[in-house]
Amino acid sequence: QKEVEQNSGPLSVPEGAIASLNCTYSDRGSQSFFWYRQYSGKSPELIMSIYSNGDKEDGRFTAQLNKASQYVSLLIRDSQPSDSATYLCAVNEGDSSYKLIFGSGTRLLVRP
Amino acid sequence: GAGVSQSPSNKVTEKGKDVELRCDPISGHTALYWYRQSLGQGLEFLIYFQGNSAPDKSGLPSDRFSAERTGGSVSTLTIQRTQQEDSAVYLCASSSEREGEQFFGPGTRLTVL
Repeated sequence: QKEVEQNSGPLSVPEGAIASLNCTYSDRGSQSFFWYRQYSGKSPELIMSIYSNGDKEDGRFTAQLNKASQYVSLLIRDSQPSDSATYLCAVNEGDSSYKLIFGSGTRLLVRP
Repeated sequence: GAGVSQSPSNKVTEKGKDVELRCDPISGHTALYWYRQSLGQGLEFLIYFQGNSAPDKSGLPSDRFSAERTGGSVSTLTIQRTQQEDSAVYLCASSSEREGEQFFGPGTRLTVL
């Protein structure tokens, strides 16, 4: 069974620190990787997409992909209390470009 | 522009009743997806529509679930003879291309008593 694994957390970091969120996936054929942020009681909000090995930066967010290790991560620099949410990693099924498999999410708490 | 919209935002029904959930995707998006998120769980893929192609229904959990998309835009997810285990948040997403980033609507919280 194809899986996406995330540590459920909570990951607690102080305000201003770097938060590092990790995700591993089982399907070697996966080509598309996404990070979503989900506040309690709300729907997921797309933060980053990454398709190639290496780093991709967007403001305070950096996504990192290592297909050989089947590992994708999200770094949040200068963490703010408003970043406190659950972060979902999503990966496409290798034989389906559109069907995403979601991890159960990592809960991030940023302490003021 | 407007995002994905869903209605109703909340639905409480009795076991055995039928329910219809509606999704209006972002204008111009050709792909539409339905997911289900149970309490404390990850998102579960249900069904995918792309243009005029036959939908991918492989995620529908039983034959009580069906969905249609009219005119390549609005979609309706129907659950017949609802059961308590159907209680969840039903999320709709759309994307502008086959491999595109998916944008979610606010969801419909379904409670089956």
